[in-house]
Amino acid sequence: GEDVEQSLFLSVREGDSSVINCTYTDSSSTYLYWYKQEPGAGLQLLTYIFSNMDMKQDQRLTVLLNKKDKHLSLRIADTQTGDSAIYFCAENLDTGRRALTFGSGTRLQVQP
Amino acid sequence: DVKVTQSSRYLVKRTGEKVFLECVQDMDHENMFWYRQDPGLGLRLIYFSYDVKMKEKGDIPEGYSVSREKKERFSLILESASTNQTSMYLCASSLWQDSGTQYFGPGTRLLVL
Repeated sequence: GEDVEQSLFLSVREGDSSVINCTYTDSSSTYLYWYKQEPGAGLQLLTYIFSNMDMKQDQRLTVLLNKKDKHLSLRIADTQTGDSAIYFCAENLDTGRRALTFGSGTRLQVQP
Repeated sequence: DVKVTQSSRYLVKRTGEKVFLECVQDMDHENMFWYRQDPGLGLRLIYFSYDVKMKEKGDIPEGYSVSREKKERFSLILESASTNQTSMYLCASSLWQDSGTQYFGPGTRLLVL
């Protein structure tokens, strides 16, 4: 089956690094995604990683994938108040189904 | 600039009413999706469509139906609204070949009394 789990809440101080974690159970995932939802808005794609990679860096964002442990993380360097949002990890199974399976979302609160 | 719009941001309906939620995308995307978002549960897929008049059930289709008569428009229908359908409804679209890169609308917050 498929299940994506995240912790619900994370609080950090401005300027610190944030690490948001995600675990998934289905090893057939081909791509894993991070989406961001700002207050009152829909989701927007932040970044993604292909399952044969273990790291991807994009400016302040670093995605780490441990396929053996089915663990995905998103690190945000130098976290800013504008990073306050809900972050969702999602997997896209290689089953022909065209929909993503989302985690429950982690609410990141950045304190000044 | 890519855009997905939803017909209402907020909606209040009574139990038993028929409710229509409309979604329109201007990117000529083949895939369209309806999710509901509830605190602590993340996004759950209700239905999706990969072509005009084509639809597939998601994880929680009970109590819902959909319609896709034109490529740009995907409607979610609550045949007889119930209080447990109070939620945030999010529409998304994507290209056929890149179903993981989804573009979301702003959401419709539905309250069923």
